[in-house]
Parts: sequence; C-alpha cells; structure tokens
Amino acid sequence: SQQGEEDPQALSIQEGENATMNCSYKTSINNLQWYRQNSGRGLVHLILIRSNEREKHSGRLRVTLDTSKKSSSLLITASRAADTASYFCATDVGAGGTSYGKLTFGQGTILTVHP
Amino acid sequence: DTEVTQTPKHLVMGMTNKKSLKCEQHMGHRAMYWYKQKAKKPPELMFVYSYEKLSINESVPSRFSPECPNSSLLNLHLHALQPEDSALYLCASSRDISGTTTGELFFGEGSRLTVL
Repeated sequence: SQQGEEDPQALSIQEGENATMNCSYKTSINNLQWYRQNSGRGLVHLILIRSNEREKHSGRLRVTLDTSKKSSSLLITASRAADTASYFCATDVGAGGTSYGKLTFGQGTILTVHP
Repeated sequence: DTEVTQTPKHLVMGMTNKKSLKCEQHMGHRAMYWYKQKAKKPPELMFVYSYEKLSINESVPSRFSPECPNSSLLNLHLHALQPEDSALYLCASSRDISGTTTGELFFGEGSRLTVL
C-alpha cells in the first residue's frame, strides 16, 4: 500500500475557483511536502510543512496538516489555467526525530483548470 | 529554469545496449537521488547518495548501476534493460540528509527512456 494516497485522483474546475486536494499517509513523518509536475516534466517543490506545524501559506497556496488523522490538504485559491498540472504530496518518513532519508510520493491529483 | 541538469532528454536503447544517464547540479547539495516514474504514476525512489556515498538502494535490479563521481555529478548506468524499464528517470538533489529531516528536493527535467 502507498504511504501517501491522494484524493481526488482528478479535479476539473473553472478559472477563478478554488482547488482542494487531500493526502493521507500511514506512518509517522518529519515533514510533508507538496510538488507540482507539468506534463512529462520534472517536479517543482511548492511547500513544506513540518510535523509540528498545522497550517502554512505561500502566495495562493494554503497547506494544512493534521497528524492525528495523518492527513494534509493543499488549497489553491483563485486558480489559473497555468495551475493545470499533477500535484503530489511527499512524506519524509521517520521516527524519534530522525529521518529515513527519503521522500515517498503519493499517487497524485491531476488538476485541470479551464479558462 | 531547473538547476539540476539531466542528459540526455530522450534515450532509445535495445535490450543488449549499455548506456548512461547523467545528472549535474551546482547548488552545493550533498544529497542526490534517482527516481523512476511510469506514466500516470508517482515517482518511485531508486537510489540515494549522501556525501557521495550510496545510502539507500530500494532493491533496484542490478541492471541499473548508480555512480556518484563527485558531489556535483550523478550517473545511472544501464545494461541489459527490459522493455518494462521504459520510463521517465528523474534526478534530484537536496542540501543534505542530516539525519533529522529530508528537505526540499530540486528535480531535473528527466530523461525519458525507451527500451526496445
């Protein structure tokens, strides 16, 4: 089973609307990160939230983390056509404050923003 | 523009060929990664190098052989691959693996490999 599972698998919205993507994970983490990938290209880091943080903002992005539910959400406000991409959560798994030294990616959400 | 450079962008090889993928970064990062990504799937970790030493091998078949000649370069040597190895191979780097946290990864654009 995957460490990170995301829903929805696909999301289609109109420009100007908000987009919310969710990520669930199974084990203890040090941090959770969100990445964007345009079709067939490299991934771009969006935001990192540590296990002791509950919410973080960066521009039009808002990330929340609920460690009791082992879940995170990414909100993109006032979406644009250029936001069309795949979005992945990635977890830095660890225990006792020590990282295992790798990021494990969730299944991803394909976001389509229509002009 | 990405600061992690991967070459070649595209590679087609036969099952008996030997080829290499190359990755270079000049950000002074001391951790480098190879990920494999199949279509419509998430990236899957293959190898991690920390301070030029192999720290993680995710049970990757021996037909994939990583090499880290110095802190800026990472190679992936390919030999006797199978058609199912066709995928996008992504290189990434991060500042370091301090043992306490894995931070932001910087990805290259990937090398798209097709095995015939």
